[in-house]
Amino acid sequence: GAGVSQSPSNKVTEKGKDVELRCDPISGHTALYWYRQRLGQGLEFLIYFQGNSAPDKSGLPSDRFSAERTGESVSTLTIQRTQQEDSAVYLCASSLAWSGTSGAQYFGPGTRLLVL
Amino acid sequence: AQTVTQSQPEMSVQEAETVTLSCTYDTSENNYYLFWYKQPPSRQMILVIRQEAYKQQNATENRFSVNFQKAAKSFSLKISDSQLGDTAMYFCAFMTPNRDDKIIFGKGTRLHILP
Repeated sequence: GAGVSQSPSNKVTEKGKDVELRCDPISGHTALYWYRQRLGQGLEFLIYFQGNSAPDKSGLPSDRFSAERTGESVSTLTIQRTQQEDSAVYLCASSLAWSGTSGAQYFGPGTRLLVL
Repeated sequence: AQTVTQSQPEMSVQEAETVTLSCTYDTSENNYYLFWYKQPPSRQMILVIRQEAYKQQNATENRFSVNFQKAAKSFSLKISDSQLGDTAMYFCAFMTPNRDDKIIFGKGTRLHILP
């Protein structure tokens, strides 16, 4: 596809269950970002992948959150033992590597997670 | 630390009016990029406009323009002839190139265009 895609678009789960959220970046984009957006709030940075460099995990709120990325393609955000406060929209974005570009990010439609 | 501040949590204007959204940022860097993103109720984030710090000329995209004041570290967005479809959250964002490429977002301004 032409844009960033995310799946599922909506996820309802029970407290304590694990969830996996998927992001397919734009082909050729080496940088990939995950954000959390609580209802009516701004974007909260979670994690950032750039090429083969070690990811920047500085935004992950707890050790229940983890993310993986295979090469420069798909990324999966995993939340273990979900809590009600994890309910939010999880947005993924990708961008070209810095050199020669303006660094603008392109966002997916997000996954709305509801933890009951 | 680099920060982005949007001091207006919410604004409302009548259709066809001009509205200005404020944004200030803090950095010790001299070269950087600034962005305005729009997030309509559909929640899809859309890049509205971007500005390179080394360019003195303010960026313009149709009805959207910025007032970039580098010395004051200010980057406001002006929407002219506002339309109902402009109703959205607007986020100001900042990035330093050749560092970690991580974009820092402000907390957003919710803009309502009234008919």
